[in-house]
Amino acid sequence: SYELTQPPSVSVSPGETATISCSGDNLGNKFVSWYQQRPGQSPVLVIFQSTKRPSGIPERFSASNSGNTATLTISETQAVDEAVYYCQAWDSNIYVFGSGTKVTVL
Amino acid sequence: QMQLQESGPGLVVPSGTLSLKCAVSGGSVNSVNWWNWVRQSPGKGLEWIGEIYESGTTNYNPSFESRVTISIDKLKNRFSLKLRSVTAADTAVYYCARGGLWSGSNNWFDPWGQGVLVTVSS
Repeated sequence: SYELTQPPSVSVSPGETATISCSGDNLGNKFVSWYQQRPGQSPVLVIFQSTKRPSGIPERFSASNSGNTATLTISETQAVDEAVYYCQAWDSNIYVFGSGTKVTVL
Repeated sequence: QMQLQESGPGLVVPSGTLSLKCAVSGGSVNSVNWWNWVRQSPGKGLEWIGEIYESGTTNYNPSFESRVTISIDKLKNRFSLKLRSVTAADTAVYYCARGGLWSGSNNWFDPWGQGVLVTVSS
């Protein structure tokens, strides 16, 4: 079965850039979505079609996807960005999620 | 703005059937979208269960296919999940979510409901 691999955690200082990777076989040829899940809340879409931001998502959220790795970048990270981030793709008729990366803003 | 709200029993006995409903407001299940169920086991990540289109066409995760049914009720503007023969491993927060216009690669989930915790225990 298809797997998406994410680092368990990323730490970042306020105002700095957080980078979250998501790796999967030939992932660059797939569309990737990213979701933010704050503690006790449901997931929120922050990136769709690998690089697009939904309305209402701050411009500091950006993403890329090439080769076997998709990347979510949070620029000028704020305390409110502290959450778990999940990548998602589709393979063999299944929507697959990564295991999630906890972003801690120190 | 569209909102989704899950409802159903928070406790199900082992070998029983988990039944949940997802009410849609601010939009219609009769629109050209796929409607999804996703679950999150305690302390774990997200797991897609299945989806349904307004026509009633369904796609299921093979991990659940033998015991899951997703249905849609256009009159009540909601869709439902039934998961049979549950065990403790099915204890999770269950979310409903709107998908995109197409099933498959070019699809994403937005918005999500608030989720409902279902515990499987005697």
